[in-house]
Amino acid sequence: SQQGEEDPQALSIQEGENATMNCSYKTSINNLQWYRQNSGRGLVHLILIRSNEREKHSGRLRVTLDTSKKSSSLLITASRAADTASYFCATDAWYNFNKFYFGSGTKLNVKP
Amino acid sequence: ETGVTQTPRHLVMGMTNKKSLKCEQHLGHNAMYWYKQSAKKPLELMFVYNFKEQTENNSVPSRFSPECPNSSHLFLHLHTLQPEDSALYLCASSQDTLTSGGTGELFFGEGSRLTVL
Repeated sequence: SQQGEEDPQALSIQEGENATMNCSYKTSINNLQWYRQNSGRGLVHLILIRSNEREKHSGRLRVTLDTSKKSSSLLITASRAADTASYFCATDAWYNFNKFYFGSGTKLNVKP
Repeated sequence: ETGVTQTPRHLVMGMTNKKSLKCEQHLGHNAMYWYKQSAKKPLELMFVYNFKEQTENNSVPSRFSPECPNSSHLFLHLHTLQPEDSALYLCASSQDTLTSGGTGELFFGEGSRLTVL
């Protein structure tokens, strides 16, 4: 299966701390994306990193990609209570464009 | 508002009923998707349509029947479902990455919460 696996499954931190989530996948990818989901709602795209990129930033988000280890990490700096949500990584394989597979997600709780 | 609208938001049906979920996107995208989200399981990719043609059927039981009449609309027809089919069904759209130079970013609707009694 191509789908990614996020780690940890759940993470609880205090407001102001940094949150790091990891994603591992099994096959060579075209690109990797991170999404956020508030409880019972649709997913919202956060950031995309291509297979030939190693790091990307967007506001308080920093994503790294290590294709040799087939892993990625999402760092949220200076977390806020509003960051409380589930976070998912999604990949599409180089041979399987437009078919995006998700992991089970990391449930982040930021305590005020 | 993501530009992807799903109806109904909630649906309760018996195992012998026939119902449909509807998805509409106003983003001009040419790829549309159905995902199933069950508690404590990864999102499951069910169907993919590119330019109205089905390009993926991820071993989905025949009691789920998709329909894509045009690039803006996607349906999921449901019949003789089982209680284990209760889940949040998410529709998404994107610009095709291979032929249209899209980035692959998925835009999701808010989902249809299905309960099968």
